[in-house]
Amino acid sequence: AQSVTQLDSQVPVFEEAPVELRCNYSSSVSVYLFWYVQYPNQGLQLLLKYLSGSTLVKGINGFEAEFNKSQTSFHLRKPSVHISDTAEYFCAVSDRISEGNKLVFGAGTILRVKS
Amino acid sequence: DAGITQSPRHKVTETGTPVTLRCHQTENHRYMYWYRQDPGHGLRLIHYSYGVKDTDKGEVSDGYSVSRSKTEDFLLTLESATSSQTSVYFCAIRRLYHSYEQYFGPGTRLTVT
Repeated sequence: AQSVTQLDSQVPVFEEAPVELRCNYSSSVSVYLFWYVQYPNQGLQLLLKYLSGSTLVKGINGFEAEFNKSQTSFHLRKPSVHISDTAEYFCAVSDRISEGNKLVFGAGTILRVKS
Repeated sequence: DAGITQSPRHKVTETGTPVTLRCHQTENHRYMYWYRQDPGHGLRLIHYSYGVKDTDKGEVSDGYSVSRSKTEDFLLTLESATSSQTSVYFCAIRRLYHSYEQYFGPGTRLTVT
């Protein structure tokens, strides 16, 4: 079964510094990959997705992620963070052949941006 | 906004009581999902539906049942709530023609005492 590992449970960073949130998944079969963000007491919002094509994917709010098939990774990056980026971030994967397009989520990474 | 509402938004109930959570969508999407969110576990799939009266189990389905009698509503029932089912429950839909991502409702916080 597919699994997703988010390597850091919390990432503290100063405002305007770069950040990378790491995500690895278990399966080598063809996958769809997603990053979601959850602000306090809210639902999940899609940040970006990888379906096929270019391995560098750009999303909303200045975030981008790079798909690395050989390392089964999909790390999320932002060159300069803002206080408003403080939130929990979830990596998710779906096997292309998965019945029902079931998503498997990582445990989440809390990004804390400090001034 | 994916047109998803969940009710109730908050509920406190006692162990052993039945509880039903409702997810309602306004856009006529075929696929609907129920997840639970717990610290350290991310979101885990409980059940999903691929059409009216068509449902299947997810990763953590024990103790839960679902029903979908019409396209717009997907109900999650805890037949006899336990303290381990204290969680935040999210409903999601999949926009079939929008590249496989899922869109989430605002969530229901359930506390079982």
